Amino acid sequence: AQRVTQPEKLLSVFKGAPVELKCNYSYSGSPELFWYVQYSRQRLQLLLRHISRESIKGFTADLNKGETSFHLKKPFAQEEDSAMYYCALRGSFFNKFYFGSGTKLNVKP
Amino acid sequence: GAGVSQSPSNKVTEKGKDVELRCDPISGHTALYWYRQSLGQGLEFLIYFQGNSAPDKSGLPSDRFSAERTGGSVSTLTIQRTQQEDSAVYLCASSFGDRLNEKLFFGSGTQLSVL
Repeated sequence: AQRVTQPEKLLSVFKGAPVELKCNYSYSGSPELFWYVQYSRQRLQLLLRHISRESIKGFTADLNKGETSFHLKKPFAQEEDSAMYYCALRGSFFNKFYFGSGTKLNVKP
Repeated sequence: GAGVSQSPSNKVTEKGKDVELRCDPISGHTALYWYRQSLGQGLEFLIYFQGNSAPDKSGLPSDRFSAERTGGSVSTLTIQRTQQEDSAVYLCASSFGDRLNEKLFFGSGTQLSVL
């Protein structure tokens, strides 16, 4: 069965420090992986998707099929990065998105 | 439109009462999802509508939960005989349903509190 695991509920870092939000998945086929973000008092929105190989707001994520991971990274965290981050998976045979339990990122000044 | 619209934004109800939550997707979006967001539980998939296909109801937690989508647009999530554990934020999302350009647009949610 498909599953998305985000092991950290809360991650606190200082401004300027590197940050890595972990995401592991289980799926037997070829998944599509996404990161969604929810800033305070805002709607949940797409941050990036692996298929685009893009960097958004300095964040990148590489799909590692060997380790079944899709960790989100940023070399220098900013206070405005503080938010709730959700990793999501969509499989090759179904359209629905499965989300992880989320990681709250707190960037301290 | 301005985006996915959900109403009400807040709903307080007594245990045992029925509630209806409404979602207006973005015009032209054929796919519509309902998720439940609870503290520490992340986003729990409830139900998925795609065009005229039969909905995927595999995430509905019990038979007290049901949803419909009329005319391929507005959707209503109904919870019968509400329980305290139903308290959560209920999120609706829509998308074009095009696998090459799939991106979910979320509503602002309905905060349901069951007393």
